[in-house]
Amino acid sequence: DQQVKQNSPSLSVQEGRISILNCDYTNSMFDYFLWYKKYPAEGPTFLISISSIKDKNEDGRFTVFLNKSAKHLSLHIVPSQPGDSAVYFCAASAGGTASKLTFGTGTRLQVTL
Amino acid sequence: EPEVTQTPSHQVTQMGQEVILRCVPISNHLYFYWYRQILGQKVEFLVSFYNNEISEKSEIFDDQFSVERPDGSNFTLKIRSTKLEDSAMYFCASSADRGRGSPFSYEQYFGPGTRLTVT
Repeated sequence: DQQVKQNSPSLSVQEGRISILNCDYTNSMFDYFLWYKKYPAEGPTFLISISSIKDKNEDGRFTVFLNKSAKHLSLHIVPSQPGDSAVYFCAASAGGTASKLTFGTGTRLQVTL
Repeated sequence: EPEVTQTPSHQVTQMGQEVILRCVPISNHLYFYWYRQILGQKVEFLVSFYNNEISEKSEIFDDQFSVERPDGSNFTLKIRSTKLEDSAMYFCASSADRGRGSPFSYEQYFGPGTRLTVT
């Protein structure tokens, strides 16, 4: 079941540059998308989300872009900081009461000095 | 800042034994979830819970699994007879009421997880 895909298992970016993490989905019923950050031995931490009625949402250094026609979303982090080094998960929800999140496989971001 | 807590952080059990994983969701949240992550794999949904009943469950959540909200604060996951393949990180999550027009009601907040090792 690959409804949410993150095709890049890892990404290395220099401090201060932009990090772009990508996510693709196949289920047209998804109407809400979230990005989570995860450190080893910790739970996923919510970062930013976007509803399908929008194409962009910004929160500080984090911006999520949604292209519904391409079923693609991306997370931009600018400027990248060493503390951003973690695994980033894309997740999607099909709405409804207590709807489950379907996660991607994650992208490990390494921000180097 | 309110957070989801989980106990224990690590549970080791023998195959066939029962385990109970405990969670304290964020206090004003009404929706509760369990997910698991087998080492090297993606986070998978197990079950969602609202108004003292299961809202949705995955194929993984078979008769060996049950959930309960025994009081006003705890949310538990019980595995009746553990198998080797139940070894995973189990995450509890909670979310707020889906008030109409609320932009925040879809976000699920996760606990730190319980690492379950079945030997």
